[in-house]
Amino acid sequence: QKEVEQNSGPLSVPEGAIASLNCTYSDRGSQSFFWYRQYSGKSPELIMSIYSNGDKEDGRFTAQLNKASQYVSLLIRDSQPSDSATYLCASSSNTGKLIFGQGTTLQVKP
Amino acid sequence: GAGVSQSPSNKVTEKGKDVELRCDPISGHTALYWYRQSLGQGLEFLIYFQGNSAPDKSGLPSDRFSAERTGGSVSTLTIQRTQQEDSAVYLCASSSTGLAEPEQYFGPGTRLTVT
Repeated sequence: QKEVEQNSGPLSVPEGAIASLNCTYSDRGSQSFFWYRQYSGKSPELIMSIYSNGDKEDGRFTAQLNKASQYVSLLIRDSQPSDSATYLCASSSNTGKLIFGQGTTLQVKP
Repeated sequence: GAGVSQSPSNKVTEKGKDVELRCDPISGHTALYWYRQSLGQGLEFLIYFQGNSAPDKSGLPSDRFSAERTGGSVSTLTIQRTQQEDSAVYLCASSSTGLAEPEQYFGPGTRLTVT
């Protein structure tokens, strides 16, 4: 069973802090990794994609990938209350379909 | 430009009835995916269309579920003889080429309630 694992949380951070979200995957054939943000009652919104080892930065978001450790993370700098949501980690191999983790709930407290 | 659209946004049906859910992908996107998200559950892959290739149906939970994609664009997911466990949000996503540019963008979903 190919799996993506995330801590369900909730992860609570104060406004302005760095939020660190983590994800591990079991399929070594996974090539592409994604972070989606999902607000309650809404559909997932793509916020980051990463394909090679290392860091990828986009504004306040940094995705990190370590294929040797089968580990993906998302850092959110200067967290805002509007960042409060469920963050879904997903992986994709050469089949095209996404395998999702259960999601981590982030709460940013003013 | 316009994103992925889905209709209806909500559907309430009686157990045993058939339902059809529609997805209109982003214009020019050749890959289309269906997922479902049950209450408290993660997103579960259902089916994947890529261009004119045979669809990947490996995620369909039973033979009551089927999907088609006409003209390489609009897709319809059909659930026959609905059961209460079919209640979920059905999400459609599309991507540019599926494998070379795999970022998938989701529509707003159809919330299906089977009573």
